[in-house]
Amino acid sequence: QKEVEQDPGPLSVPEGAIVSLNCTYSNSAFQYFMWYRQYSRKGPELLMYTYSSGNKEDGRFTAQVDKSSKYISLFIRDSQPSDSATYLCAMSLTASKLTFGTGTRLQVTL
Amino acid sequence: EADIYQTPRYLVIGTGKKITLECSQTMGHDKMYWYQQDPGMELHLIHYSYGVNSTEKGDLSSESTVSRIRTEHFPLTLESARPSHTSQYLCASSESGSGIQYFGAGTRLSVL
Repeated sequence: QKEVEQDPGPLSVPEGAIVSLNCTYSNSAFQYFMWYRQYSRKGPELLMYTYSSGNKEDGRFTAQVDKSSKYISLFIRDSQPSDSATYLCAMSLTASKLTFGTGTRLQVTL
Repeated sequence: EADIYQTPRYLVIGTGKKITLECSQTMGHDKMYWYQQDPGMELHLIHYSYGVNSTEKGDLSSESTVSRIRTEHFPLTLESARPSHTSQYLCASSESGSGIQYFGAGTRLSVL
């Protein structure tokens, strides 16, 4: 079993929809949680960063961490075609090596 | 915006050739990483460095080698490329004490 599980999708939603992306993990010692966005043929870029539990909001993006359930989520409000990309969750025990999910491919249609 | 650069972006090469993938960052980060990413698969850490003259192998076994002679430079070398090395290679860096890694655009390697 993988340490981090993420549904690969693809997930297709209409423009303006609310998108929910999720990851589950098995290692309860993870402390740092991140979401990266990766466009085709590009490197991942950091979207959201959370230490320990709780919620964090940045514009149209909200990240949630539920350590009791070992579950993290990324919500995208008012989704746009420019949000079409692969979204990777990542987490780590210390502020160093990251463990990644496989990524969820999102397609936002007009 | 992260200032981390990888060259070349694309490389097609024959079996048995020696190749070096370049990675440079201008942020003064102590920590640097190399990942391998295949389509539909998660990123796998193959090498990392926590400072000059410090390198370690990652979780995924790799026939590549790395060096860290300067803080800003972390090249990856394959002495004899094989078709099984065909993949995307991503370089990243982070500040000490920060869990945030910044990625380059990647090198897409094809070995024929």
